[in-house]
Amino acid sequence: NAGVTQTPKFRVLKTGQSMTLLCAQDMNHEYMYWYRQDPGMGLRLIHYSVGEGTTAKGEVPDGYNVSRLKKQNFLLGLESAAPSQTSVYFCASREGVGEQFFGPGTRLTVL
Amino acid sequence: LAKTTQPISMDSYEGQEVNITCSHNNIATNDYITWYQQFPSQGPRFIIQGYKTKVTNEVASLFIPADRKSSTLSLPRVSLSDTAVYYCLVGKHFTGGGNKLTFGTGTQLKVEL
Repeated sequence: NAGVTQTPKFRVLKTGQSMTLLCAQDMNHEYMYWYRQDPGMGLRLIHYSVGEGTTAKGEVPDGYNVSRLKKQNFLLGLESAAPSQTSVYFCASREGVGEQFFGPGTRLTVL
Repeated sequence: LAKTTQPISMDSYEGQEVNITCSHNNIATNDYITWYQQFPSQGPRFIIQGYKTKVTNEVASLFIPADRKSSTLSLPRVSLSDTAVYYCLVGKHFTGGGNKLTFGTGTQLKVEL
């Protein structure tokens, strides 16, 4: 099992550009999450999904959109990137009651 | 969501036991207490979870007093590889919806020789 994988690992964008981060999990988990982590800070929840075709807002959803068309994939989109979105983005998945499994992260820089 | 308070940093030496205490005064009845570990440039990794009293696994123990307003993560005989940030989280675990865990700033543990 690969667990939770994230694509890409690194990305540099210019202000106003758009991009999509892909999260994939092979554990057949129902719940998936997108977090961001700024330097010296804890993780903050952006959006989450409780099942295929469902999404919900987390703590800091502004400027991001998500989609869960397939159970194993959770996409995070930035329509018009801003320097304030420079961060490390982590995806996680979970099944029912229990721990969250995290991916390796995507380091995004917006110039 | 229950707010947690933990020390910003702790220092220890190899072979010592480390106890990290987390305060969560407004914990709700159906909240669980979960600890994660994060190494630089990696995603957090689950360590242990508990509801009350004591929980032990192969890497750590979690002590929760009767009032559940605090908890203590105990790492026995730490090594250099235990240098990481440790997060205490409090949240609901139920199958009917999302598990909205809140990560604070964590405790940076530094282990030296």
